[in-house]
Amino acid sequence: NAGVTQTPKFRILKIGQSMTLQCAQDMNHNYMYWYRQDPGMGLKLIYYSVGAGITDKGEVPNGYNVSRSTTEDFPLRLELAAPSQTSVYFCASIGLAGADETQYFGPGTRLLVL
Amino acid sequence: EDQVTQSPEALRLQEGESSSLNCSYTVSGLRGLFWYRQDPGKGPEFLFTLYSAGEEKEKERLKATLTKKESFLHITAPKPEDSATYLCAVQAGTGGFKTIFGAGTRLFVKA
Repeated sequence: NAGVTQTPKFRILKIGQSMTLQCAQDMNHNYMYWYRQDPGMGLKLIYYSVGAGITDKGEVPNGYNVSRSTTEDFPLRLELAAPSQTSVYFCASIGLAGADETQYFGPGTRLLVL
Repeated sequence: EDQVTQSPEALRLQEGESSSLNCSYTVSGLRGLFWYRQDPGKGPEFLFTLYSAGEEKEKERLKATLTKKESFLHITAPKPEDSATYLCAVQAGTGGFKTIFGAGTRLFVKA
């Protein structure tokens, strides 16, 4: 299994541009999450999904949109990028590690908005 | 409001000097408390999941414990390779299992 994959690894956007951050998992997990992590801070939940066709807002959803058309993919859309969206974005899915439930994280996408 | 507070923000240890990291939390209906390790430029990596007060789990030099208000991550005889940021998170049992993360403790272990 590739686990949770994210593309791109790094991107520079100009203010007002739009982009889609891709996230895919091959573990057949139903629950998927998008987080952002600012320097020296913990992760903040942007959006989450409990299955294909079902999404909901997290703590910091403004300026973002998501869709979940398949179990595998959970893209995050940034519309009208702003400097405040400069951050590292992590995608995750819930699964089992042995007998324990945990979140499996992707490697992250580093976004710089100038 | 669900909340997670980790202390200290940073911890510097000598190799072999044991210590503990603290995670205080408030959550409506705890479903699980998680500890992750995060290396610079990488995503969090799973360490432990604790489900109920009194539970303890161990892995190599790490031991995690849980009470109704807080969790501790004990590090015994740390090595330089244990240097990382340790994140604590709690998951409520409702609302899509949303997870709230603390800001993390940055651990530096000097040889």
